[in-house]
Amino acid sequence: DAGVTQSPTHLIKTRGQQVTLRCSPKSGHDTVSWYQQALGQGPQFIFQYYEEEERQRGNFPDRFSGHQFPNYSSELNVNALLLGDSALYLCASSTEFYSPLHFGNGTRLTVT
Amino acid sequence: TQLLEQSPQFLSIQEGENLTVYCNSSSVFSSLQWYRQEPGEGPVLLVTVVTGGEVKKLKRLTFQFGDARKDSSLHITAAQTGDTGLYLCAGAFQTSGSRLTFGEGTQLTVNP
Repeated sequence: DAGVTQSPTHLIKTRGQQVTLRCSPKSGHDTVSWYQQALGQGPQFIFQYYEEEERQRGNFPDRFSGHQFPNYSSELNVNALLLGDSALYLCASSTEFYSPLHFGNGTRLTVT
Repeated sequence: TQLLEQSPQFLSIQEGENLTVYCNSSSVFSSLQWYRQEPGEGPVLLVTVVTGGEVKKLKRLTFQFGDARKDSSLHITAAQTGDTGLYLCAGAFQTSGSRLTFGEGTQLTVNP
């Protein structure tokens, strides 16, 4: 049973570019959350998707957007990349509103 | 201002020693979770505590939730080199479901 899978594992982009990160949730899970983890810090909540809609959003600018597909997979898009967007982006899936999160291994984004 | 404060931030000990990591907040959480994260991987859930005063044991790890549900501790007995990793506490609020607020983590190194 595959867990949460994320792609790509590593990515290097230039300031001002746009990036799309992808996530496939654990089998049986219908809710996907995205977190940003800067070096040496804990993960920060970006947003959560359920039934193809953004259900909750953290304190991130509109440059960060997402999408959930009918098969529950999800994308995170970041426009107009800044150096400060360099981080590990984690996807987590769950089922039901209060269930524990299962994390993927993340996408390491480097903005130069 | 960090909602969840973890201490210490870094901890380096010898194999066989005991240690305690603390997670403190001024907010009341409906539940608190502890995760362990290794380099290049996502956080892995160790335990969830939901009741004030609750104590849970996982082999050599003991987790406690404060009576007021504002703080928690993780105690490791007779640490092993395999315990090395980043330990993260994360709190959930009643209305936020599976959305988690993470502390900054405690980087534990157990030396042989």
